[in-house]
Amino acid sequence: SQTIHQWPATLVQPVGSPLSLECTVEGTSNPNLYWYRQAAGRGLQLLFYSVGIGQISSEVPQNLSASRPQDRQFILSSKKLLLSDSGFYLCAWSVKVNYGYTFGSGTRLTVV
Amino acid sequence: AQSVSQHNHHVILSEAASLELGCNYSYGGTVNLFWYVQYPGQHLQLLLKYFSGDPLVKGIKGFEAEFIKSKFSFNLRKPSVQWSDTAEYFCAVISSGAGSYQLTFGKGTKLSVIP
Repeated sequence: SQTIHQWPATLVQPVGSPLSLECTVEGTSNPNLYWYRQAAGRGLQLLFYSVGIGQISSEVPQNLSASRPQDRQFILSSKKLLLSDSGFYLCAWSVKVNYGYTFGSGTRLTVV
Repeated sequence: AQSVSQHNHHVILSEAASLELGCNYSYGGTVNLFWYVQYPGQHLQLLLKYFSGDPLVKGIKGFEAEFIKSKFSFNLRKPSVQWSDTAEYFCAVISSGAGSYQLTFGKGTKLSVIP
């Protein structure tokens, strides 16, 4: 069966520090991969999506970047975190876009 | 760009009350519609989805939703809520078409059920 792993679960980082959040999917090949951010009172916002290795599309200009070094690995990064980067980050995957997404358990990032 | 509106930010109900959460979307073409639920401390789970066919969709845990194309709506309903339904509910839409990968979410509705 397919599973999605996301870590860490919580993270507290100082302003200006780098960030690396990792997401891996098991049990499927060539998934579409997504990073979403859930900020308080703002719902879920798509940050990046990837339809294949090395293919990244950005939906929202920001301080973050994403990479897909392997088929089932999706990484969210930042060189220098801002206070506004605080939020709940969710990784998701889908095989076909209209089947809906399966979400990871999320990472609660607090930038202090 | 596609947008999704959820009318209620926070709904408080007593157990056994009926529930209806509103959801409207903006895209006028072919859409795929979803309701997700996030229980306290847990990750997002798919509650139900609509692709085509019968506009009344039944999901898990007694939830259902009705797609009304003329109203651009996909409201979530449950005849009798339970305390365990306390969660945040998100409506989401994908507009069908080549290159459409974005699942657009509403801002969510927090449901609190009082025993």
